[in-house]
Amino acid sequence: ETGVTQTPRHLVMGMTNKKSLKCEQHLGHNAMYWYKQSAKKPLELMFVYSLEERVENNSVPSRFSPECPNSSHLFLHLHTLQPEDSALYLCASSQDVLAGVVNEQFFGPGTRLTVL
Amino acid sequence: AQSVTQLDSHVSVSEGTPVLLRCNYSSSYSPSLFWYVQHPNKGLQLLLKYTSAATLVKGINGFEAEFKKSETSFHLTKPSAHMSDAAEYFCVVSDGAGGSYIPTFGRGTSLIVHP
Repeated sequence: ETGVTQTPRHLVMGMTNKKSLKCEQHLGHNAMYWYKQSAKKPLELMFVYSLEERVENNSVPSRFSPECPNSSHLFLHLHTLQPEDSALYLCASSQDVLAGVVNEQFFGPGTRLTVL
Repeated sequence: AQSVTQLDSHVSVSEGTPVLLRCNYSSSYSPSLFWYVQHPNKGLQLLLKYTSAATLVKGINGFEAEFKKSETSFHLTKPSAHMSDAAEYFCVVSDGAGGSYIPTFGRGTSLIVHP
């Protein structure tokens, strides 16, 4: 399989559940990102990992917990979410900038999360 | 700090007519600029990118954009719209300020194509 894959594609969970979103990239990239996309709101950057180190955490509530065990895999662990957390969660990867050239991001199809 | 402004939240065109999606950026450095497209319930796909080479950039599906430093603009155009172009379009800037190459996304422009 090529590109960036995300599982599951759809997830419905209650506020007391614990679940995890998975992202996998087959592109040999060394940076990975989580974004939240809510209806009628701008795309929100949540977390960035570069060479498996977290380099960005945009004031995301602690009920979202990222994990990057290696450069190909990224997880988002969810617990005690709120209904307003319902959104499309997008994963992306890129090759860290080389020689001052910024490389584009490759996005997965997203996980549509509904919190009841 | 880098920023990007997409001047229209919605653009409506008829099939076969030209498309213009406007984007202005702010950056203290030489920026890299991107346009992405997102079809409903899908991830984002790169249309084209500018990284300090030719100022007129050609992308996929007949789209192109011109980098104009004097106007701090990077507008996206297409000569003739197709129904399949209906989607959300995002303008993105990344300039490496402070050693960070994390991109900043615009709020998006929804392109509506009428038959």
